[in-house]
Amino acid sequence: GAGVSQTPSNKVTEKGKYVELRCDPISGHTALYWYRQSLGQGPEFLIYFQGTGAADDSGLPNDRFFAVRPEGSVSTLKIQRTERGDSAVYLCASSMGVRPDTQYFGPGTRLTVL
Amino acid sequence: EDQVTQSPEALRLQEGESSSLNCSYTVSGLRGLFWYRQDPGKGPEFLFTLYSAGEEKEKERLKATLTKKESFLHITAPKPEDSATYLCALNYGGSQGNLIFGKGTKLSVKP
Repeated sequence: GAGVSQTPSNKVTEKGKYVELRCDPISGHTALYWYRQSLGQGPEFLIYFQGTGAADDSGLPNDRFFAVRPEGSVSTLKIQRTERGDSAVYLCASSMGVRPDTQYFGPGTRLTVL
Repeated sequence: EDQVTQSPEALRLQEGESSSLNCSYTVSGLRGLFWYRQDPGKGPEFLFTLYSAGEEKEKERLKATLTKKESFLHITAPKPEDSATYLCALNYGGSQGNLIFGKGTKLSVKP
């Protein structure tokens, strides 16, 4: 079946601009996760949703980052006033349940802030 | 102090040369330990989940084991196509649903 999909695959933006990254989880998966991966590092947790609500947003670095999942399926990660330090690969994952459960990852969106 | 430490950072093997990758952790209340494979430019691909000490899982040339403070990923007679970065991740009492990842071991298998 279809896996987790993320769009766009690459995004180049200028410092100070606003960006949206989209994640389409595996059908039927109730939990959705966002991670950020810098070069040479493992993924770093940002936020996860159980259904429509953000169950844990403790990994969001600051208030420029925000994520939504209005209908409990597709999620959008929004970054305001982008900074060069935001450049990374943003990964999305989904799972059937939460604690613990195998998370299946998408291919990621590579964000470059010039 | 890192909660998850993977070693070595990089490993070069000849085709057919078996070895092991290590993942050690300092957290308590482990709910699950996960191994993923990541190829360049792609998202992590799930390999194994281990829940309790003594548990073992196998898939083709890979075997994952778990003790109270570490996990090993054993690679038997590797092939060049096994070349990738192998990531270890934890779900534990303080992290609710999210995974805590190590930095990974980059494996290169030469023919």
